Amino acid sequence: LAKTTQPISMDSYEGQEVNITCSHNNIATNDYITWYQQFPSQGPRFIIQGYKTKVTNEVASLFIPADRKSSTLSLPRVSLSDTAVYYCLVGDLMIYNQGGKLIFGQGTELSVKP
Amino acid sequence: NAGVTQTPKFQVLKTGQSMTLQCAQDMNHEYMSWYRQDPGMGLRLIHYSVGAGITDQGEVPNGYNVSRSTTEDFPLRLLSAAPSQTSVYFCASSYPRDGNEQFFGPGTRLTVL
Repeated sequence: LAKTTQPISMDSYEGQEVNITCSHNNIATNDYITWYQQFPSQGPRFIIQGYKTKVTNEVASLFIPADRKSSTLSLPRVSLSDTAVYYCLVGDLMIYNQGGKLIFGQGTELSVKP
Repeated sequence: NAGVTQTPKFQVLKTGQSMTLQCAQDMNHEYMSWYRQDPGMGLRLIHYSVGAGITDQGEVPNGYNVSRSTTEDFPLRLLSAAPSQTSVYFCASSYPRDGNEQFFGPGTRLTVL
């Protein structure tokens, strides 16, 4: 399984755009890039998923370069409630019958200040 | 839908005791998994199941057993609890054909003395 590397922590201020970059040099052809958010004392929550180029939803954008060896999660205009741990994962549960599974890394602890 | 439910929310065990953490989902999801999360750490995959009757090991399976007799339930058994198993346990489920979105339960906080 491809290993991911992310910054351990980041600080930001309310209203700013936050970009969290994840490195996954050994990503496999069938792997998708997925980001989760976790608040204290809660289970992780799915944010966004992509395979290549750019994906946007109501919460975030995900930028993936052509070589797919890294990805960037972009959170527009963060608020205090975005303070959480953000996990980057690579894998493909759609091949679950062939051993597909998702492995979490250490995550990035984002702190948003007023 | 209740989503993914886990019981109990909290549990204290003595070393050597056994217990079962319960996990259930009502979304007819094929894929279910168990993770543990130690303080200040990410989640580590213990066991997972791709359907009723099928289970496999994750990153840290030692000391844990699972079974999947129905689509809805995926219990995690601690055979002989050890202090190293003190952790928060999360169960998750997904419909893999939709991608990598997993739905997580609220967690069980386990302390082994």
